[in-house]
Amino acid sequence: GAVVSQHPSRVICKSGTSVKIECRSLDFQATTMFWYRQFPKQSLMLMATSNEGSKATYEQGVEKDKFLINHASLTLSTLTVTSAHPEDSSFYICSAGTSGDEQFFGPGTRLTVL
Amino acid sequence: GENVEQHPSTLSVQEGDSAVIKCTYSDSASNYFPWYKQELGKRPQLIIDIRSNVGEKKDQRIAVTLNKTAKHFSLHITETQPEDSAVYFCAASIGDNFNKFYFGSGTKLNVKP
Repeated sequence: GAVVSQHPSRVICKSGTSVKIECRSLDFQATTMFWYRQFPKQSLMLMATSNEGSKATYEQGVEKDKFLINHASLTLSTLTVTSAHPEDSSFYICSAGTSGDEQFFGPGTRLTVL
Repeated sequence: GENVEQHPSTLSVQEGDSAVIKCTYSDSASNYFPWYKQELGKRPQLIIDIRSNVGEKKDQRIAVTLNKTAKHFSLHITETQPEDSAVYFCAASIGDNFNKFYFGSGTKLNVKP
């Protein structure tokens, strides 16, 4: 149980375009999901907390207009990178929790902006 | 906010030896401390966790210790095997249920056969 999926697994886009990444909890309902960003050989940096039915809470330094988060249902959160630039290239990972403390991570999405 | 520091950044051991990774945290309100193993290009996988009301927890070859007073916790892997080679992350979380994780910088463990 507690499986989290992400789609797509890899995406390459041109500079200036927008990219949407989906995070789904497959076998449980997640009122809260989290979005992380991970640069090569670095740690996971929390970007935002996605709350079902309400606005996301962004960490300091993360541009909310740049990284749009929508949590429309208890099993789906989306992250849209708007007007992507090469410096947005990274590994984006979501996670979701159940009733306990543990978070379950998605497989990640590797974004490359040309 | 919470600040988690992790050491060492890289660790190389011989197969069969023990490996220890240490983390410190800054916020005394943190009460949940998971450890994740991440292989290249894959998702982090929980390997063990500990809550603030416990000082030590063990699961086969893996153990975690927590010192709340000093605000540090450690991961101990005994009888290391080549398949233990990966990047390990500690994290700290404040509060109960669905709270944010703050991760350490990671330790790349290399177990030499």
